[in-house]
Amino acid sequence: QVQLQQSGPGLVKPSQTLSLTCAISGDSVSSNTTTWNWIRQSPSRGLEWLGRTYQRSRWFNDYAVSVKSRITINADTSANQFSLQLNTVTPEDTAVYYCARGWALKYWGQGTLVTVSS
Amino acid sequence: DIVMTQSPDSLAVSLGERATINCKSSQTILYSSNNKDSLAWYQQKSGQPPKLLISGASTRDSGVPDRFSGSGSGTDFTLTISSLQAEDVAVYYCQQYYNSPLTFGPGTKVDIK
Repeated sequence: QVQLQQSGPGLVKPSQTLSLTCAISGDSVSSNTTTWNWIRQSPSRGLEWLGRTYQRSRWFNDYAVSVKSRITINADTSANQFSLQLNTVTPEDTAVYYCARGWALKYWGQGTLVTVSS
Repeated sequence: DIVMTQSPDSLAVSLGERATINCKSSQTILYSSNNKDSLAWYQQKSGQPPKLLISGASTRDSGVPDRFSGSGSGTDFTLTISSLQAEDVAVYYCQQYYNSPLTFGPGTKVDIK
């Protein structure tokens, strides 16, 4: 059974960096048959896909245009996890952040409410 | 980007009655290699992540009750709850995974009348 466990702070100050981690059990971040995604949800934006990382012959990333200049998603194969960094946050980045596996997203993390506030 | 729209925004249905939710994609999402539409449906209850109900437009995920069914192809899709139960009160989302970025519909809230 695949499980995704999120960790990271729930409060970030404006202009700082939001950092979250998603620990994987029951699968491998290095799997070449799936992808590892970050998605956020807010009342104003609904469900918004932010980006993903995946391995085929090499590691690939792709990101939503709306955050492309500020986002990094990395895989840590030794810890079997992947992470989200979102730089220079503003209050508009306040949302529940989720990690999820695949294309049709069967497995999700529990969600982390991240509030951007001073 | 592929834009996903849903209708209605909300609906209230009596227990045991049918609920129908529509979803439309701005372009076809039929994946030619497997001849399946790259369309998923999710159920989200308050305080929980979305739960996958259906993928490939019509394939129920394991453990999903058979009162949930998906249909449609091309750009127009439907989620039907054949006999609404109290535990089905939730927001339902469609999502395309045909290409990046993955995109979601705005959601349809289902309540008991």
